[in-house]
Amino acid sequence: EPEVTQTPSHQVTQMGQEVILRCVPISNHLYFYWYRQILGQKVEFLVSFYNNEISEKSEIFDDQFSVERPDGSNFTLKIRSTKLEDSAMYFCASSEGYPARTFGSGTRLTVV
Amino acid sequence: AQSVAQPEDQVNVAEGNPLTVKCTYSVSGNPYLFWYVQYPNRGLQFLLKYITGDNLVKGSYGFEAEFNKSQTSFHLKKPSALVSDSALYFCAVPLDYKLSFGAGTTVTVRA
Repeated sequence: EPEVTQTPSHQVTQMGQEVILRCVPISNHLYFYWYRQILGQKVEFLVSFYNNEISEKSEIFDDQFSVERPDGSNFTLKIRSTKLEDSAMYFCASSEGYPARTFGSGTRLTVV
Repeated sequence: AQSVAQPEDQVNVAEGNPLTVKCTYSVSGNPYLFWYVQYPNRGLQFLLKYITGDNLVKGSYGFEAEFNKSQTSFHLKKPSALVSDSALYFCAVPLDYKLSFGAGTTVTVRA
């Protein structure tokens, strides 16, 4: 069964550093998403991406965040200057359309 | 606004007993509803969805959910729980381009 692949599974970074989280969506999917889950809390939507542009973003997705689909297969989330409160599990997801989507196994980001 | 609520933070059951994880929804029109499961240190795995049709939806790992319009509920059920069902369960509803998740219910199945 096709999967959404995320790398790395765990990343530790120093506060203020830039991080890039990588995702390979399912190949025929057109919609891409990032969510995050702070430890012990609910899963929160960050951003959706379609046709090479952001279609929706949440209040969490401020200027420190950006997304890219650099080469037609990868979908990345960049955090420019990480803060302690960015520590969370970040999930990538993709879908062919509305409403279902497939999630990756996540990247656990730890900011120290 | 479309939303779901999971009234229980935790559910504890003995192995072999029925398991129910509750979800209520507030959705205008005909709802789409989802259940996802998160095993420890793992990603979100799709369990089942209700789009339309039969009110009883069958999903992965022996789970099913019953859509009840009069009670605005979509409770997840399993007739006989296993220790391996211990996980975090999320109900979700699509809202525009995103999924809005409930707060999650931690299920612990004791041997």
